[in-house]
Order: sequence, then C-alpha cells, then structure tokens
Amino acid sequence: GAVVSQHPSRVICKSGTSVKIECRSLDFQATTMFWYRQFPKQSLMLMATSNEGSKATYEQGVEKDKFLINHASLTLSTLTVTSAHPEDSSFYICSARDLGGDEQYFGPGTRLTVT
Amino acid sequence: SQQGEEDPQALSIQEGENATMNCSYKTSINNLQWYRQNSGRGLVHLILIRSNEREKHSGRLRVTLDTSKKSSSLLITASRAADTASYFCATDSGSRLTFGEGTQLTVNP
Repeated sequence: GAVVSQHPSRVICKSGTSVKIECRSLDFQATTMFWYRQFPKQSLMLMATSNEGSKATYEQGVEKDKFLINHASLTLSTLTVTSAHPEDSSFYICSARDLGGDEQYFGPGTRLTVT
Repeated sequence: SQQGEEDPQALSIQEGENATMNCSYKTSINNLQWYRQNSGRGLVHLILIRSNEREKHSGRLRVTLDTSKKSSSLLITASRAADTASYFCATDSGSRLTFGEGTQLTVNP
C-alpha cells in the first residue's frame, strides 16, 4: 500500500528558532499534500493544502508567514515552523493524495515541543 | 471548521462486547472515512464508504452511511483490548478531509 513518511518523528527546539518537517510519499506521486495539527486529546485540524509547484492554500486563522509550506516535487512537501513558540508545540501530521485517488495516506506524525 | 460531530465522546466496554460510534455532518460529501489513532501515534485508515453506498464491512468493522440524515455509524463487533484507541470519522468533500471530534474507546479485558 501507499506509504507516507515524516521526518523527524520528534523534535525539541528552543523558543525563537525554526523547525522544518519533511513529508514524503514513498511509492506514489502526491499531487496534493495536506498538513494537519493536533493538540492533545483533540481532533486533527487542517492547516493547509499544497499542490505541487504552486502556493499552499491556508485555512482561516493559520499564519502563512509562520508556517511555511513548500511542495517542490511530487514526492516531498516541507512545513517550516518559523520563530517557534511554546504554543506551537503540537503533533503535526501530513497526508498525501495521488492523482485521481479518493484516499489520503497519512504520515506517522511529528511531535514538536518548543521550550 | 470541523463539521463532523461524533458521539459518544467516550465509550468504555468489556472485551467481547460490541462498540458503536456515530458521526454526523453538515454538508455534501463524496465519501466518509473512519480512522483509528492510538495514543500519541499516527492515523490508521479503517474504511471508506462512498456517498452512494449504504453499508460496508471489513472484518469486525461495519460502517453505515445515511446521506439523508447526514450520519454514519461504525460498529466494532466482538471487541478486544487492542481495539482501545480514538476513532475519528472524516468527511471528504473532494478537496479536503474534515475530521470529527473523535470517540475515545476503552475496551476492558
């Protein structure tokens, strides 16, 4: 089946620094990738949708200058949390959809802790 | 905004019993999907039911979809302790998935 990987799985960073999270589709080409955030004991909230080669579409309330998304190839999307603060600490999950497919394939998530 | 609402929020049952979780939504959908998430882990895709389908089975899972009532249910039969997890429904409008709030299922051995 389709596999999506995320790296790193866990990251701890200091307040004010930037962190990059990678999302890769391993055995299919992902024309669309999605980034979600999940706070403890809550559901997944869609942050943004990215299509390969074009700018990401951000959900209302998500700062595009703070959460930089790059979908430069059909197998890789990156999320950079800039100037991270403790309130950005969360579980970040990406997913990918291949062309014409119904299903989204989810990565294992990245636990970000900002101290 | 989240359009899926799930009930119950939490469900605690004994091993061997059946567990039923419900999901309601508000807008038109292409399909509805159910996922499981163990604490602190990623999502596991369980089943997808299309808008023109009414019922689907996969092993011990049975999903129903009533588009007139905009609701779906997930039934897990003969539950096991390993089924303990959070279960989420997600509606697919074609361009995005919108997740419900989830049901925390605890299966006691």
